[in-house]
Amino acid sequence: LAKTTQPISMDSYEGQEVNITCSHNNIATNDYITWYQQFPSQGPRFIIQGYKTKVTNEVASLFIPADRKSSTLSLPRVSLSDTAVYYCLVGVAGFKTIFGAGTRLFVKA
Amino acid sequence: GAVVSQHPSRVICKSGTSVKIECRSLDFQATTMFWYRQFPKQSLMLMATSNEGSKATYEQGVEKDKFLINHASLTLSTLTVTSAHPEDSSFYICSARSRRGAPYEQYFGPGTRLTVT
Repeated sequence: LAKTTQPISMDSYEGQEVNITCSHNNIATNDYITWYQQFPSQGPRFIIQGYKTKVTNEVASLFIPADRKSSTLSLPRVSLSDTAVYYCLVGVAGFKTIFGAGTRLFVKA
Repeated sequence: GAVVSQHPSRVICKSGTSVKIECRSLDFQATTMFWYRQFPKQSLMLMATSNEGSKATYEQGVEKDKFLINHASLTLSTLTVTSAHPEDSSFYICSARSRRGAPYEQYFGPGTRLTVT
C-alpha cells in the first residue's frame, strides 16, 4: 500500500482558497487517489477521487501531476464549516484502505 | 449517495460485558465491509476487512477473539467487542464498498462511540 504524507495542520480564513498537498511517492499503476473529510465524532465523508490530471466536482478540485507522486486538493472559498480533518488515501478498488495522519484544517473568521 | 448506518450511535457498558455494533448498507449491496477504530485526535486505524459469507481478515495486532466480526449478508456486518475493558473505549467506524460506483469508493457509517466503565 502506498504511504501518504500530508501537512499535519493548516490555517485559513473564510473566503480563501485552500490547497492541501499529499505526497505518495510509491503510488502503483492501478492506484486511485481519494480524499475524505471528517468532522469530530463523525465518519469520513467522500470528497473527490481521481487517477490523473484534474478532477472537479461541486465541492473541490483535485490536481494530479503526470508522475502521480503527489496530489493537491483544492477547496475554493472555504467557510467556517470546512474546518475538519482531510485525509488523502491511495489504493485500488477492492483492497483495504489505510488512513494516514490527515491534515487538520482550521478556518478562521 | 450511498448510505451506511451504524447502531447504536453511542453505547456505555460495564467492564467484562460484550457489546455488538451493527453496520448496514441501506441502499446498496456491500461486497466488502471494513471496521475501523479511532482514538481522540488520531487517525482511523483499520481493524479488519470482511467479505460477505467469509471470515474476516484482521490487521496485525487486532485480537480476532476479542473483536468478532460477522458479515452475514450483503447489507449487514456486525462487530462484537467481547469482554470489554476501559481501553476498548473508542470510536468505531464501519465502511462498505459497493459493487457499483467509483473504482475505489467507500462509504462510511456515522460511527459508534463505545465507553467501557
